[in-house]
Amino acid sequence: AQKVTQAQTEISVVEKEDVTLDCVYETRDTTYYLFWYKQPPSGELVFLIRRNSFDEQNEISGRYSWNFQKSTSSFNFTITASQVVDSAVYFCALIPNQAGTALIFGKGTTLSVSS
Amino acid sequence: GAVVSQHPSRVICKSGTSVKIECRSLDFQATTMFWYRQFPKKSLMLMATSNEGSKATYEQGVEKDKFLINHASLTLSTLTVTSAHPEDSSFYICSRIPPGTDGEAFFGQGTRLTVV
Repeated sequence: AQKVTQAQTEISVVEKEDVTLDCVYETRDTTYYLFWYKQPPSGELVFLIRRNSFDEQNEISGRYSWNFQKSTSSFNFTITASQVVDSAVYFCALIPNQAGTALIFGKGTTLSVSS
Repeated sequence: GAVVSQHPSRVICKSGTSVKIECRSLDFQATTMFWYRQFPKKSLMLMATSNEGSKATYEQGVEKDKFLINHASLTLSTLTVTSAHPEDSSFYICSRIPPGTDGEAFFGQGTRLTVV
């Protein structure tokens, strides 16, 4: 089965705290792609990162970092020194096998950052 | 700038009427586009795959006659919610993935449909 699990439904933190959003995926394919999207209250989906299954290198982009662990089928997302503007719903998603197929989304994690 | 343009962003309609949502690929000729539906505080569920020049492929449980998809050109896919009912109220969003790449998806801005 192809599936993405985001076990954390809601997380609340205070500004400047670090927060990690968990993502666990299931797929039988050896080639696949993992994504994180941010959905602010306006509704549009903001692309954050794409990772292919052959690239386990962790990535850092400013306050954002991602930890891809094939051994545990996880692709966790950490926000360092969170800010109020980070408040949004974050989705982890999977495209199994080759390009051209639709994304399979997790249920999303709602992050609330208070000042 | 946006590579997928979706209109309208918000629409309110009366029960029984039909609503058309447009999704345009601005920078690429998309033979395939995807339509998702999102209920409040829920995830995005794939409704159908829109194929240029042929019939759309619907996911299990999605009514083909209620959600009409037309992909008449390489840059435009439309979703028409026919005979809308309040339970059709939702957030609809389209996306496209160019073939031959490693799968980056671009999404439209979404359409919030309210049926009264």
